[in-house]
Amino acid sequence: GAVVSQHPSRVICKSGTSVKIECRSLDFQATTMFWYRQFPKQSLMLMATSNEGSKATYEQGVEKDKFLINHASLTLSTLTVTSAHPEDSSFYICSATDKNTEAFFGQGTRLTVV
Amino acid sequence: AQKVTQAQTEISVVEKEDVTLDCVYETRDTTYYLFWYKQPPSGELVFLIRRNSFDEQNEISGRYSWNFQKSTSSFNFTITASQVVDSAVYFCALSEASNTGNQFYFGTGTSLTVIP
Repeated sequence: GAVVSQHPSRVICKSGTSVKIECRSLDFQATTMFWYRQFPKQSLMLMATSNEGSKATYEQGVEKDKFLINHASLTLSTLTVTSAHPEDSSFYICSATDKNTEAFFGQGTRLTVV
Repeated sequence: AQKVTQAQTEISVVEKEDVTLDCVYETRDTTYYLFWYKQPPSGELVFLIRRNSFDEQNEISGRYSWNFQKSTSSFNFTITASQVVDSAVYFCALSEASNTGNQFYFGTGTSLTVIP
């Protein structure tokens, strides 16, 4: 079946630095990918919709200048958390949709900002 | 408005008991998809089932079964003879056909603990 690979699975960074998370569709092309965030013991909340070749669409309350999304190809979307702070510590997970409209999730990235 | 409601925040059962996780959804679309995912402590989402809105047939897969009732907008999940390995957070999710690309609306999750 289709696979979505997310990297890294865990990252610890210092406050003020930037972190890039990659989401790749390994065996299909994804024109649309989604980025979700999950705080401890909470649900997954959509952050933004990433569209290949165009600007991402952000959900209300998500700072687009802080969470930079780039979807430069049909198999890769990246989320960069800029100037990370401890409150950005969370679990980030992406999903991608194939031509059959099946959605597949990455393994997630646990970000800890110290 | 919450599109997916999982009223049970935490459930504990003793091993071998049956347990039902409730899910109620809300949508104006006539075509939509419902999902259940398992999230173990490692965090990844493990796909359990996808059901489209036109298929109300209940499904059984081993110890898992799902009851989809459009009349009550519910998509409940039952684990029969629960095992310790079933301990996890379970999410019900909705995807609407009117949303291109399959954006998911997740419920708040039910944390299941199976006590040996």
